[in-house]
Amino acid sequence: VQLLESGGGLVQPGGSLRLSCVASGITLSNYAMSWVRQAPGKGLEWVSGISGSGGSTYYADSVRGRFTISRDNSKNTLFLQMNSLRAEDTAVYYCAKIGDGGNVDYWGQGTLVTVSS
Amino acid sequence: QLVLTQSPSASASLGASVKLTCTLSSGHSSYAIAWHQQQPEKGPRYLMKLNSDGSHSKGDGIPDRFSGSSSGAERYLTISSLQSEDEADYYCQTWGTDIQGVFGGGTKLTVL
Repeated sequence: VQLLESGGGLVQPGGSLRLSCVASGITLSNYAMSWVRQAPGKGLEWVSGISGSGGSTYYADSVRGRFTISRDNSKNTLFLQMNSLRAEDTAVYYCAKIGDGGNVDYWGQGTLVTVSS
Repeated sequence: QLVLTQSPSASASLGASVKLTCTLSSGHSSYAIAWHQQQPEKGPRYLMKLNSDGSHSKGDGIPDRFSGSSSGAERYLTISSLQSEDEADYYCQTWGTDIQGVFGGGTKLTVL
């Protein structure tokens, strides 16, 4: 299983970014997926999750209303649309596969998002 | 509210054993958790899923030196025969539903 994120970069406050995560070695539609972030020097924070079908989603309070998680199972790809970005959204964003038991069992390598003017 | 509590730091000597603790919040003592390792400047790595009865299933390639156990609301990660590469941050994780996860604050392990 490999998860490869892309789309990170430097963006001004109030701007937008779209992160992508391409999965290989699995059929993405069989699994729930999540985005987890880590601010510089801080711990892991669960940002958002999505069911295998895409019919159910969850957002942390810190991003609800600004971020949208989605997936294209035909392309084995997970997305995170991030709008109205703030300085406190600066972090490495990890794509994570959720196993049958509900725990994360595979991680991507991460993509850095920096929100700064 | 589902919360995981971890001590911020731990230390042990090279070749020794160490036991890290993750405590589930009140009312959630039957929950399973997962342990993840994050070595310096690297992304997280899944170690194992740990059930309330102490049974556990490890991720790909995780050495036998890593084991898990449970007691009440406490979940433990024991690392034996400590090696220098075990110096890392260790996070526990649980979930309300499979798409609503929670992390503990992490424990920074120093190998002396």
